[in-house]
Amino acid sequence: QKEVEQNSGPLSVPEGAIASLNCTYSDRGSQSFFWYRQYSGKSPELIMSIYSNGDKEDGRFTAQLNKASQYVSLLIRDSQPSDSATYLCAVERSGNTPLVFGKGTRLSVIA
Amino acid sequence: DVKVTQSSRYLVKRTGEKVFLECVQDMDHENMFWYRQDPGLGLRLIYFSYDVKMKEKGDIPEGYSVSREKKERFSLILESASTNQTSMYLCASSHDRGFLEAFFGQGTRLTVV
Repeated sequence: QKEVEQNSGPLSVPEGAIASLNCTYSDRGSQSFFWYRQYSGKSPELIMSIYSNGDKEDGRFTAQLNKASQYVSLLIRDSQPSDSATYLCAVERSGNTPLVFGKGTRLSVIA
Repeated sequence: DVKVTQSSRYLVKRTGEKVFLECVQDMDHENMFWYRQDPGLGLRLIYFSYDVKMKEKGDIPEGYSVSREKKERFSLILESASTNQTSMYLCASSHDRGFLEAFFGQGTRLTVV
């Protein structure tokens, strides 16, 4: 089983809809979880971090974490064409080691 | 704002050349990382460093080495460039508190011909 798995997409949503991006991870001891946004040809940009079970909201973004299910998700409300990008899930493995990244989900918001 | 700066945005080198990729961060971060990113393979960790003069191998260290003589600077060295090292190289840094969120430089697209 891959350490961090994401559906590669593309995920297409109409403008104004909710985009839901999902990620599963294999290391049950992981404690820190991050979502990065990467526009084509650019470097990843941190948009959300979450460390405890439940929801964390920041503007139009909500991160959700369920450690029992080893599942983390990102919801984008009122999606805009400018949200079209690849979204990378990153997980801190247990044992104080560097982040492991999923391969990313490509999101396309259609105007 | 955290700033991580990579020395080149685009680079073209010949097979067999020794290549240096430089990265500088201005936030006094302890940890620094080098990743490469390829279509379909995602981000893969080459080397990382958690202190000056310290280095640790990542998942794909073969064909690479690193140098960290100063806290703010982390260099990636391709000893003898090969065409399969054509890739996007990304440097990142983070504070030394459990390898928390990493901040990336703008990336270097290296082409080896």
